[in-house]
Amino acid sequence: QLQLQASGPGLVKPSETLSLRCIVSGGSITYGGFYWAWIRQPPGKGLEWVATVYFDGTSYYNPSLKSRLAISVDPSKNQFSLSLRSMTAADTAIYYCARQGGLGATGGPDVWGQGTLVTVSS
Amino acid sequence: QSALTQPASVYGSPGQPITISCTGTSSDIGGYKYVSWYQQHPGEVPKLLISDVSNRPSGVSDRFSGAKSGNTAYLTISGLQAEDEADYYCSSYRANGTLVFGGGTKLTVL
Repeated sequence: QLQLQASGPGLVKPSETLSLRCIVSGGSITYGGFYWAWIRQPPGKGLEWVATVYFDGTSYYNPSLKSRLAISVDPSKNQFSLSLRSMTAADTAIYYCARQGGLGATGGPDVWGQGTLVTVSS
Repeated sequence: QSALTQPASVYGSPGQPITISCTGTSSDIGGYKYVSWYQQHPGEVPKLLISDVSNRPSGVSDRFSGAKSGNTAYLTISGLQAEDEADYYCSSYRANGTLVFGGGTKLTVL
């Protein structure tokens, strides 16, 4: 059974860089042509797609966040990561990692990790 | 990037059907058959209900169905049950590898 586990620092200071990691278990990140995504959800608000990566490094970013984002993948460790620079209070959210279903990067997420809460505060 | 438009709230009585709309543009919903719907109970992870406009994953109740017309997608829940009370989100592919979600709809079962 495929499982995803996101991890992060929990608390980040304003202007700092957030680093998140998602470990995939129960299946290979290189198998099946699946893409892997980060989605976030501010407390009490809706879902926002952040970025997507393929095992070969192909990546896509939310245009609203692109200038601050970097997504990467490490097939040897079966994990992918996200970096978000210049954090502000508006970036406070639960960050979920997920597998995207369907062909290419077209499908919505079909398997979600539990998410990790990131709070931006001094 | 702008989100897809969903009603903030919908209400229904047990046993009745309800439909939630999700409106986008020809650059997302109208241009592709890649609309998904999610259910999220408080404090829980979103659960995929519908993929590719109308496909229901294994294990999802057949009371949930999806459709699309032009730039608007629809999620219909037939025979409302108390446990259907939750937030519902749509998502769509929007070209160049990007995804977009709707703002979410809170379903209240009266």
